[in-house]
Amino acid sequence: EVQLLESGGGLVQPGGSLRLSCAASGFTFNNYAMSWVRQAPGKGLEWVSVISASSGSTEYGDSVRGRFTISRDDSKNTVYLQMNSLRAEDTAIYYCAKWTSSGWYIGSYFDYWGQGTLVTVSS
Amino acid sequence: EIVLTQSPATLSLSPGERATLSCRASQNVNNYLAWYQQKPGQAPRLLIYDASYRATGIPARFSGSGSGTDFTLTISRLEPEDFAVYYCQQRSNWLTFGGGTKVEIK
Repeated sequence: EVQLLESGGGLVQPGGSLRLSCAASGFTFNNYAMSWVRQAPGKGLEWVSVISASSGSTEYGDSVRGRFTISRDDSKNTVYLQMNSLRAEDTAIYYCAKWTSSGWYIGSYFDYWGQGTLVTVSS
Repeated sequence: EIVLTQSPATLSLSPGERATLSCRASQNVNNYLAWYQQKPGQAPRLLIYDASYRATGIPARFSGSGSGTDFTLTISRLEPEDFAVYYCQQRSNWLTFGGGTKVEIK
């Protein structure tokens, strides 16, 4: 059974930093790209970032590029999201999601999701 | 950026009725479109990929159709557990989600 367990969320002041983790199990982690998707309270889904299976390629959404960094540790079956220079508009539930392919390929989708971790940016 | 517009925003139906949800893309996404279901307090779940293929374990009452810029998710007969928010997503050019359609009990 595929499981994705996020952690690291919490309350942080504007301008602060936070590191999210996602521990994966139930599939061959190093064969798949992994992603982060967020959802502001009462709002829709927004893709944040993706990292390919080889860790050689990363992509970011416009709203987080330059502030957030995605990484992965295949020895720990874990993907991370380092979030710097946080803003109030970054407040959201952050979901870790497994990609259906090894890379940022056209025609790929999110086939498994974690339950999410809440990040609140407020003074 | 490809914009996905979902309609209607809210669909009020009774159990047993047919639900038809629309997703329109601002540019051609070929068939690279997926549908997700999200219930309150839960993570999204993949229902349909490549516009018309059901994901593993998804009941046959869910079907997807369309190509290019116009797509439809159909739930043939609504079950009580189908009342939720549905999102479309494209991975043809970058990645975007639609704004969602809420299917609520009438």
